[in-house]
Amino acid sequence: AQSVTQPDIHITVSEGASLELRCNYSYGATPYLFWYVQSPGQGLQLLLKYFSGDTLVQGIKGFEAEFKRSQSSFNLRKPSVHWSDAAEYFCAVGAGGGADGLTFGKGTHLIIQP
Amino acid sequence: DVKVTQSSRYLVKRTGEKVFLECVQDMDHENMFWYRQDPGLGLRLIYFSYDVKMKEKGDIPEGYSVSREKKERFSLILESASTNQTSMYLCASTWTGGYGYTFGSGTRLTVV
Repeated sequence: AQSVTQPDIHITVSEGASLELRCNYSYGATPYLFWYVQSPGQGLQLLLKYFSGDTLVQGIKGFEAEFKRSQSSFNLRKPSVHWSDAAEYFCAVGAGGGADGLTFGKGTHLIIQP
Repeated sequence: DVKVTQSSRYLVKRTGEKVFLECVQDMDHENMFWYRQDPGLGLRLIYFSYDVKMKEKGDIPEGYSVSREKKERFSLILESASTNQTSMYLCASTWTGGYGYTFGSGTRLTVV
């Protein structure tokens, strides 16, 4: 069965500093990988996704993620965070086709210090 | 933009009540999903549907059922609500072959 591990429950970063959120997955085939963001009281918004090709994926809001097959990782990065980036971040893995749903990690809560 | 609309943002129900959570999407997506979200547990898949009148169990279907009579509408049913079903419920949809999952804003259900 597929699974996703986000090792950091909370991360605190100063505004303007760089950010890396970790995600490790377990999947028997080529994974489809996603990062979502959830602001308080809101649904989930897709930041970026990886299906194939270039292992460095660019997303919205200045985020990027790198797929490393050898490490079963898909870490999310941003060079300089803004106070508005404070939110919950979820990594997810899915099979091809989209019909079977996604498996999510437990989330990382990002706190931005002024 | 695709919209996934959940009819209620907040619900308070009593133990033993039958509860309906409604979800409507406006982009003709074949696939619809119900997740519950709990602190420290992330999102867990309850049920999903890939076509009208079709349904599949997800990872935690116990205590829930679903109904999909029309393509755009997917209902989650708690036959007899219990306090351990207090949670945030998120609906999502996508088209087959794509991964454009769109989520609704969620329904926060409290069972007292």
